[in-house]
Order: sequence, then C-alpha cells, then structure tokens
Amino acid sequence: DAGITQSPRHKVTETGTPVTLRCHQTENHRYMYWYRQDPGHGLRLIHYSYGVKDTDKGEVSDGYSVSRSKTEDFLLTLESATSSQTSVYFCAIGGQGAYNEQFFGPGTRLTVL
Amino acid sequence: GENVEQHPSTLSVQEGDSAVIKCTYSDSASNYFPWYKQELGKRPQLIIDIRSNVGEKKDQRIAVTLNKTAKHFSLHITETQPEDSAVYFCAAAISSGSARQLTFGSGTQLTVLP
Repeated sequence: DAGITQSPRHKVTETGTPVTLRCHQTENHRYMYWYRQDPGHGLRLIHYSYGVKDTDKGEVSDGYSVSRSKTEDFLLTLESATSSQTSVYFCAIGGQGAYNEQFFGPGTRLTVL
Repeated sequence: GENVEQHPSTLSVQEGDSAVIKCTYSDSASNYFPWYKQELGKRPQLIIDIRSNVGEKKDQRIAVTLNKTAKHFSLHITETQPEDSAVYFCAAAISSGSARQLTFGSGTQLTVLP
C-alpha cells in the first residue's frame, strides 16, 4: 500500500462537537483528497488539495472544511458534527503528471450520536 | 457535473464462471476510467484502469472495455475465484488542468459461490 495513514481510525462523538480527521502521506504527492463512503452512494468527494494551501470543494463539501499546511498532511474538519456525517472517511493521494491513479488510505469510521 | 451509473448492484456467480459489471457516464469529456475492488472493512484498491485512447485493456483474468460513443465501460472477470468476492466500483474523471476529481458509481457486490 502507498504510504498513507489516517488518524484516528475510529471515532465516536456527539452532535455539535468539532471533529478533525488527519491524513498523512509519505509519498510526496501533490494531490490529496477526502471522500466519504455511505451505503448505496459509493465514494463521494468532499474536498481536494492540489498543493500546500491550495484546496477546492468537491461534490459534498457542505459542513466540512480542510487545510493543508504542508505537503504530507491534509486535515478534514467537521466544525459542528451532525448525525448525517456518520460515515467512513477515506483519504486518497493522486499520481503525478497526466496519470490519475488514486490510492486510498485505510479509512476512518466516524459515528456521530 | 459527471454522473456515473453502475449495474448490477449485486451479482452472484458460480466459481469458474465469468462476471461482467457495467457503468455508464454522462460527461463526454471524461477520459480516465478506473476500477476499484474493496473487500469488507478494507480500503478501495485500484485493480485496472483505461484511458479514452484505447478500447480494451487486459490484465490476467481482468479486462475492461470502453465504448466512448455510447459512454459506457465494463469490467470483465473470467474464471472467477472465491477471493474475487468483494465490492467493485467504477469511476470516471477528466484528466486536465489541476482537477483530478473521480466520480464513482454506487458499487457492485460480487459474490463467487464455491
């Protein structure tokens, strides 16, 4: 597996609390992504980054923010978690140049009570 | 934006038979089509991909075909084995500029019966 780790791997939190998920890569890839995976929906893009301090919204960005202060780390923040944000969150890193291969991290299972 | 439809949602085959999963996409500008396999509780893993300048690609028991005119692509698995049981996702992307966004299908649960 590509050098991608996510932390925490599991988290249970309460509605209204802030939550930050971390993605760390050792591959020096420029592109990083956050997806959520829900039954019947496949994987949906939340936000992505194309460089340090360069981020953009994906398909389901409402309620989420991201930050990338260094190449290896991409943070996803839920400012005020809601039950609809209960999901499995995957980070991915992308290839260089014209190639689009994306490699996924191990995932974080988040439960919002 | 892009929309990817995937069928069937579940598929059961006998060991040794072939399995076919089909996807359609909406944006004619899409030019990169990967397939991922996800085992229970694991991360999605890329198994094969195809770019729009080719019509077919094979890798051992796995093949992918692309019909740009009809905007659909398919995954073919021959001589299925129990370890092929997993959820398979197709995806589509436009390879240009800085946008490398994948749009995924909703997945196919493949079960290979011994």
